[in-house]
Amino acid sequence: EADIYQTPRYLVIGTGKKITLECSQTMGHDKMYWYQQDPGMELHLIHYSYGVNSTEKGDLSSESTVSRIRTEHFPLTLESARPSHTSQYLCASSEGGGAGNQPQHFGDGTRLSIL
Amino acid sequence: AQTVTQSQPEMSVQEAETVTLSCTYDTSESDYYLFWYKQPPSRQMILVIRQEAYKQQNATENRFSVNFQKAAKSFSLKISDSQLGDAAMYFCAYTYSNTGKLIFGQGTTLQVKP
Repeated sequence: EADIYQTPRYLVIGTGKKITLECSQTMGHDKMYWYQQDPGMELHLIHYSYGVNSTEKGDLSSESTVSRIRTEHFPLTLESARPSHTSQYLCASSEGGGAGNQPQHFGDGTRLSIL
Repeated sequence: AQTVTQSQPEMSVQEAETVTLSCTYDTSESDYYLFWYKQPPSRQMILVIRQEAYKQQNATENRFSVNFQKAAKSFSLKISDSQLGDAAMYFCAYTYSNTGKLIFGQGTTLQVKP
């Protein structure tokens, strides 16, 4: 199994709260990704990073923000949670380099529910 | 724009039988990569198999193999000797750039009947 960890696994929280979803990997991967997945649906890329101090928005617009201060850590933050943010958030990482064929390793995901 | 389509929302197979999951994609790129990922219920998504577009030979991984038809832009997954542990949601995914950004299909839920 891949060494990529997400916390918390489940979070139920009220509207307006600030939330940080944690993602850490111990593989030394340069590239990291955040996906949003509604139940039984496809994954949509919301953020990615090529390395430290590099962050880019993904294909799906998101009100969340990310940071990449350390190689192993890629947290996602929602400043003011809303019910529309209810979803599963999956973190992934892959090796760097020029080839796009490096597989992504996924965490267990965080199921977020905003009341 | 690149798109990935999985037209089978659900499939079922008898244990020990063979099942094929379909995937088509649309791209104008000539060099790209295709993947099948497996997402068991409430468990980690894992890579099943991958295919480089420049390779004509179909990829195989034990009981899993693909039928890659580049001209038809088709990338189906065949699971032989299906096992109960194969039950999961399967996603077809595509990437063409060195960012590694994946575009996923809608997923196919596979049920394995004992």
